[in-house]
Amino acid sequence: GAGVSQSPRYKVAKRGQDVALRCDPISGHVSLFWYQQALGQGPEFLTYFQNEAQLDKSGLPSDRFFAERPEGSVSTLKIQRTQQEDSAVYLCASSLYGGNTEAFFGQGTRLTVV
Amino acid sequence: GQQLNQSPQSMFIQEGEDVSMNCTSSSIFNTWLWYKQDPGEGPVLLIALYKAGELTSNGRLTAQFGITRKDSFLNISASIPSDVGIYFCAGWGRGGNTPLVFGKGTRLSVIA
Repeated sequence: GAGVSQSPRYKVAKRGQDVALRCDPISGHVSLFWYQQALGQGPEFLTYFQNEAQLDKSGLPSDRFFAERPEGSVSTLKIQRTQQEDSAVYLCASSLYGGNTEAFFGQGTRLTVV
Repeated sequence: GQQLNQSPQSMFIQEGEDVSMNCTSSSIFNTWLWYKQDPGEGPVLLIALYKAGELTSNGRLTAQFGITRKDSFLNISASIPSDVGIYFCAGWGRGGNTPLVFGKGTRLSVIA
């Protein structure tokens, strides 16, 4: 596609429910990033893929967070047993190569845990 | 980890005024990116800077990569109402696999 696409745009989950957020990067982009953005804050890094390899997951806040990109294209961020503090906008970005290149963001998924 | 300090946190300006915001870091960055984010949307890339000292323009926007590689600024000339939003600086650190780090943003309000 022309840009990074994320789905769903909005997700309401009951506390304890599992959720899966999808990211379709720009076609041909090698690198894919997930960020978490709390209200009024800048995006905070979660994890980074180069093709199907997860090179950095140091930003994942707990072991309830899991991300995969099995075929080096679409990525899924899964949150198990959601908690209220997980409520945030989850942003996905892709870039043609790794670092030092332009990174393009999707519109984000707003997750609300009730 | 690497931190970016962005200032000011917010600005209220009159339509037609020029705007300046900056970003500093205690460590060196190899690339600086500037984004604008509207409510309910993802950040949109405005300008990318790749070389120390580089000055790049995109319409009414001008950004510079500081000589020390530890800072960058963004100027907006002759602001208009649609410039309202949150502006973020972001930087790629040294090493090919370091994540893109963001500042906390500058919220710009334009009074017509």
